[in-house]
Amino acid sequence: NAGVMQNPRHLVRRRGQEARLRCSPMKGHSHVYWYRQLPEEGLKFMVYLQKENIIDESGMPKERFSAEFPKEGPSILRIQQVVRGDSAAYFCASSPGADNEQFFGPGTRLTVL
Amino acid sequence: DQQVKQNSPSLSVQEGRISILNCDYTNSMFDYFLWYKKYPAEGPTFLISISSIKDKNEDGRFTVFLNKSAKHLSLHIVPSQPGDSAVYFCAASAGAQKLVFGQGTRLTINP
Repeated sequence: NAGVMQNPRHLVRRRGQEARLRCSPMKGHSHVYWYRQLPEEGLKFMVYLQKENIIDESGMPKERFSAEFPKEGPSILRIQQVVRGDSAAYFCASSPGADNEQFFGPGTRLTVL
Repeated sequence: DQQVKQNSPSLSVQEGRISILNCDYTNSMFDYFLWYKKYPAEGPTFLISISSIKDKNEDGRFTVFLNKSAKHLSLHIVPSQPGDSAVYFCAASAGAQKLVFGQGTRLTINP
């Protein structure tokens, strides 16, 4: 059973460009969570999605950030008009239900030049 | 507002001895607590969890203790092994959904 998959593993963007980060949950998992880790800090919750629904987006910045988890395909975290402060590691986690442990992917390291 | 705190950024322990990592929280609504281990350039790996209705959970070399009155939990690793060297994150949730993480403690096991 493959784990949570994220791609790309590394992404370099110039200021003003768009970044798209993909997450494929573990087989059988319908709950997806996105977290961001800034250097030397812990992970910070961004958004929690189930198939086609955003359940909790309380950690998402109000502008430029969006997330989706369509019926078919991976979950996407989209960052428009990136700025240097968006440089971070973005982790996706999945779980089979809301009251289960979350399993994390390897992360996408975004660097904004 | 740091709701979950790991006050020791680093800890060094001799191989074979006990490692004790500590975590404090402020939100009394938290009802589920987890420990994750993280190697560089990898995602966090789940280690062990505990529900607020328990005060101890054990899995092999790992034991988590929860003191609700003190809002404190700890992870004990015994005996410590070189492969345990990593960053350890404590996390908590209210309603078992989004996780709130501490800042992490870097554990180094010395031979």
